[in-house]
Amino acid sequence: AQKITQTQPGMFVQEKEAVTLDCTYDTSDQSYGLFWYKQPSSGEMIFLIYQGSYDEQNATEGRYSLNFQKARKSANLVISASQLGDSAMYFCAMRETSYDKVIFGPGTSLSVIP
Amino acid sequence: NAGVTQTPKFQVLKTGQSMTLQCAQDMNHEYMSWYRQDPGMGLRLIHYSVGAGITDQGEVPNGYNVSRSTTEDFPLRLLSAAPSQTSVYFCASSSLAGEQFFGPGTRLTVL
Repeated sequence: AQKITQTQPGMFVQEKEAVTLDCTYDTSDQSYGLFWYKQPSSGEMIFLIYQGSYDEQNATEGRYSLNFQKARKSANLVISASQLGDSAMYFCAMRETSYDKVIFGPGTSLSVIP
Repeated sequence: NAGVTQTPKFQVLKTGQSMTLQCAQDMNHEYMSWYRQDPGMGLRLIHYSVGAGITDQGEVPNGYNVSRSTTEDFPLRLLSAAPSQTSVYFCASSSLAGEQFFGPGTRLTVL
C-alpha cells in the first residue's frame, strides 16, 4: 500500500544555511512519481519539485534539489541558502502509476532563523 | 486562466446538514482530487477522478460523495455533516502524470 513518512514534525535552520527535509515512501509499484509542495502560512499549496522513479539524475529546481535514493525508498528535499521566506510547511507526495491517486505525508514545519 | 477555483471559501454547518463544495478547473486536466487537511495529519485524500464519469475512493471517503459529469467540475457532497468533518478542504487537478494545481481551499466548521 502507498505510504509516505516524514519523520521531522518541525525543523529549524539558520538563514543562508542548507537544510534537508526527510521523506521515505512505501510502494510496490516500479513506476511512480514523487513531489514536494510548500504551504506557507497563507495556506496555498505551491509545487516545488518532481522526481520520476526512472529518472537517473536527481531533480533540481533553483535552490531546491531532491536527494533520491531508490533502493532506500527515500526522496529528501534539500533547500540551499535558506531564506526567511522558506519558513512554511513542506509536504512530500507520491503518485503510483498503477493507481493514479496522489497521497501526501504528514508534513514538516520549517522555521528559518535570522 | 483561473486555474482551480473553489467555492465557498468559508462555511459553517450544523450537524446533520448537507452541502456541496464546488470545484472547477479550466486547464483541461484529466485528474481531479479532494483532500482534507487537519493539523498534524497532512493532506488526506477523500476521492479522486481520472476523467469524466470515473471516480474512486481515497484514504478517507466515508461521509462524502463525488461525481464527475464534466472534465471541468468535481463537486464534493457532504451527506450529513458531523463535527469530525470540520477541516480545510482542498481541490486539486493535474494531468495524469504531472504536478497538481490546488485551489485556495474551503474552511468548513460543523457545529
